[in-house]
Parts: sequence; structure tokens; C-alpha cells
Amino acid sequence: AQSVTQLGSHVSVSEGALVLLRCNYSSSVPPYLFWYVQYPNQGLQLLLKYTTGATLVKGINGFEAEFKKSETSFHLTKPSAHMSDAAEYFCAVSQYTGGFKTIFGAGTRLFVKA
Amino acid sequence: EPEVTQTPSHQVTQMGQEVILRCVPISNHLYFYWYRQILGQKVEFLVSFYNNEISEKSEIFDDQFSVERPDGSNFTLKIRSTKLEDSAMYFCASSDWGSGGGNEQFFGPGTRLTVL
Repeated sequence: AQSVTQLGSHVSVSEGALVLLRCNYSSSVPPYLFWYVQYPNQGLQLLLKYTTGATLVKGINGFEAEFKKSETSFHLTKPSAHMSDAAEYFCAVSQYTGGFKTIFGAGTRLFVKA
Repeated sequence: EPEVTQTPSHQVTQMGQEVILRCVPISNHLYFYWYRQILGQKVEFLVSFYNNEISEKSEIFDDQFSVERPDGSNFTLKIRSTKLEDSAMYFCASSDWGSGGGNEQFFGPGTRLTVL
């Protein structure tokens, strides 16, 4: 069965500092991996995704993530945090099992300090 | 840019009442989904729908729930007899099978259901 673990329910960084949000997954077959962002009182917005090919994936708003099969990880990074990055971030894995479903991690709330 | 829309944005109902949450997926998408997010918790898969039938559902999606695509544009989630624990944000999503794999799902803004 698929599962997603996000380490740290809350992460706090200073503006301009590196953002690192951790995600580990388990999947019996090569996974499709995603990061979504949720701003307060809004829906989910796709930040980036990994399907096949290049393991370093670039997304919107300067975020990127690297798929490491040996570590079953898909950590999200951004070199320099901005106040507008404060939001909830969800790592997710998707697999076709007769129908696609996406399994989400518990989420990491990112706080950015001025 | 095409987007998934949901109505209403907020629904308040009495316990035991039936509610229908409505979604208009992106027009050329073929797969449709419902997820829910209880306040402060993670997003949970409920059901996926393709070719006018359920393709997969979670253990949460019991007999109280049903989905329907009544016409060519709407996709609905019905809860027959709401319980207090059904209070949550419900997200609709859609995806295009032909997107080359990776199943990028586009999410609507959600309907907040409050059961009193």
C-alpha cells in the first residue's frame, strides 16, 4: 500500500533562508510524486510533480524537489524563502490501481519570519 | 485558464439531512475525484470516477455517499444522511487521462460542509 510521511508538521524559517520540507513515500511500483501548496481558505495548487525522467524537478515559485529512489524521498526545497511562501505544503503519491487515487501526507505548515 | 469550480462554497446542514455538493470539472477531463479534509487534518481520498462509474473508492466512502455525473458538465457528491463527523472541506478534482501519465489532478476551491 502506498503511504506518504512528511517529517515535521511545522517548519519555521527566516525570510531569505533555505526552505527544506521533507517527504518520504512507500510504493510497490514506481510512483508519481507531487507537492501541493494550500494557502489559507483556498484549494490545493500543484507546485511540481515527478513522473519519469530527470529526478530534479523544478516547479512554480522557485521550488524544486529531487526524487531519490534509494532513499524513497522527495524533499521540497527553495533557496530563499519569501513571506508569501507561508502556507501548508502537502506531499502526495499517486498510483494507478484500476483508477487513479492520490494519497496525501499529513502536511507541513511553513512559517516565514521577517 | 480552465479551472475546476465547486458550489456552494459553504454549506450548513442539520444532522440527518441530505446534501449534494456540486462540481464542474475541466471540460476535456475524463477522470473525476472527491477528497475531503477535516479541519486541521490531511486531505483524504474518497472516490474516483471514470466512464460513468466508480473506478476506486476508499473505506470512508460508505453507503451514505454516492457520486453522479448527471450531465456532460457536472459531477456531484451526495451524502444521504449527514453526520457530525462529515463536517469537512470537500474538494473536487479532475484529470486528463491523456496527460502522459503522472495524473496531474486539478483541484477546485472546495466546499466547506458544516453539519450541526
